[in-house]
Amino acid sequence: AQSVAQPEDQVNVAEGNPLTVKCTYSVSGNPYLFWYVQYPNRGLQFLLKYITGDNLVKGSYGFEAEFNKSQTSFHLKKPSALVSDSALYFCAVTPGGRNNRLAFGKGNQVVVIP
Amino acid sequence: EAQVTQNPRYLITVTGKKLTVTCSQNMNHEYMSWYRQDPGLGLRQIYYSMNVEVTDKGDVPEGYKVSRKEKRNFPLILESPSPNQTSLYFCASSLYRTGNTEAFFGQGTRLTVV
Repeated sequence: AQSVAQPEDQVNVAEGNPLTVKCTYSVSGNPYLFWYVQYPNRGLQFLLKYITGDNLVKGSYGFEAEFNKSQTSFHLKKPSALVSDSALYFCAVTPGGRNNRLAFGKGNQVVVIP
Repeated sequence: EAQVTQNPRYLITVTGKKLTVTCSQNMNHEYMSWYRQDPGLGLRQIYYSMNVEVTDKGDVPEGYKVSRKEKRNFPLILESPSPNQTSLYFCASSLYRTGNTEAFFGQGTRLTVV
């Protein structure tokens, strides 16, 4: 079964500094990887995904993520964090193929300090 | 507007009183699923459906039922709710069942069972 680890509970970063949210995964076969963001009292919103091809994927709101197969990682990054980026971030993986069963990490609370 | 609609947003009920949380999507998506979100545990899948009349258990199906009589609707039924089902619930839909398309989430239903 697939699984995702997000090792940090909370990430604090000063506004304007680079933001990194870490994610490692375990899945048999080639993974499909996703990042979602959740703002207070809202549902999850899709940020970006890796399916195949270029290891660096770009998504919404200036976020990007790098797929590293050897390290089984898919870290989320943003060059310059904004206060409005403060939210809960989830990494997710599916094994691909016939089933779209997403396995989520426990989430990382990102706090951007003005 | 493309969306997943859940109702109600908030619900307080008593132990043992049957309830239904509705979910509807207007995007003609093939795949639908229910998740519960608990602090420190991320999102866990309850049930999923790959198409009309095709449903299957996720990771935490005990105490829940679903049905998929129409493509757009995927209600979650708690026949006899218990306090350990107090949680935040999300319905989600994806265009295809094959795992390479992102999920669209509803706004969530916060359920309290007393």
